[in-house]
Amino acid sequence: EPEVTQTPSHQVTQMGQEVILRCVPISNHLYFYWYRQILGQKVEFLVSFYNNEISEKSEIFDDQFSVERPDGSNFTLKIRSTKLEDSAMYFCASSERAITEAFFGQGTRLTVV
Amino acid sequence: DAKTTQPTSMDCAEGRAANLPCNHSTISGNEYVYWYRQIHSQGPQYIIHGLKNNETNEMASLIITEDRKSSTLILPHATLRDTAVYYCIVRPPQAGTALIFGKGTTLSVSS
Repeated sequence: EPEVTQTPSHQVTQMGQEVILRCVPISNHLYFYWYRQILGQKVEFLVSFYNNEISEKSEIFDDQFSVERPDGSNFTLKIRSTKLEDSAMYFCASSERAITEAFFGQGTRLTVV
Repeated sequence: DAKTTQPTSMDCAEGRAANLPCNHSTISGNEYVYWYRQIHSQGPQYIIHGLKNNETNEMASLIITEDRKSSTLILPHATLRDTAVYYCIVRPPQAGTALIFGKGTTLSVSS
């Protein structure tokens, strides 16, 4: 069964460093998403991406964040200068069409120290 | 903010049906109802979605009231592995529209 894969599963970084979280969406999917979940809190939407541009973004997704689909298969989330409060589980998701279900990856746990 | 209301927690005995309610009284005519669940800190798992008709798949059934202001997710024979947080989400069909998660219902299945 096709699945969304995320790497790495766990990343530790120093405050102020740049991190890139990687995702490989399901191959025929056209819509891509990033979410995050701070420990003990709800899943929060960050950004959606379609046709090589951002469709929607939340207030969380400020200038420190960016997304890219560099090679037609990977979908990346970059945090330019990490803060302690960026520590969270980051989930990537993809869907085939606008109304079809989105499938989530298993997440990358980002720890900022 | 999420446009749905769900009970904070529910209990269910293993082997019995789990019926999880959701209120979405402000739902618009073109918005779909989606159900996801999250086991521990794993990625949310899609369960089922529908617009106005009842839906059934291998995991669950979704019953949507005629006025579409509420719905019920039914797990016909709950197992211990169904213990999770269940999220009811309404979402318009526009391209790239996000799924907005609320706090969901924590379902505890016990033997």
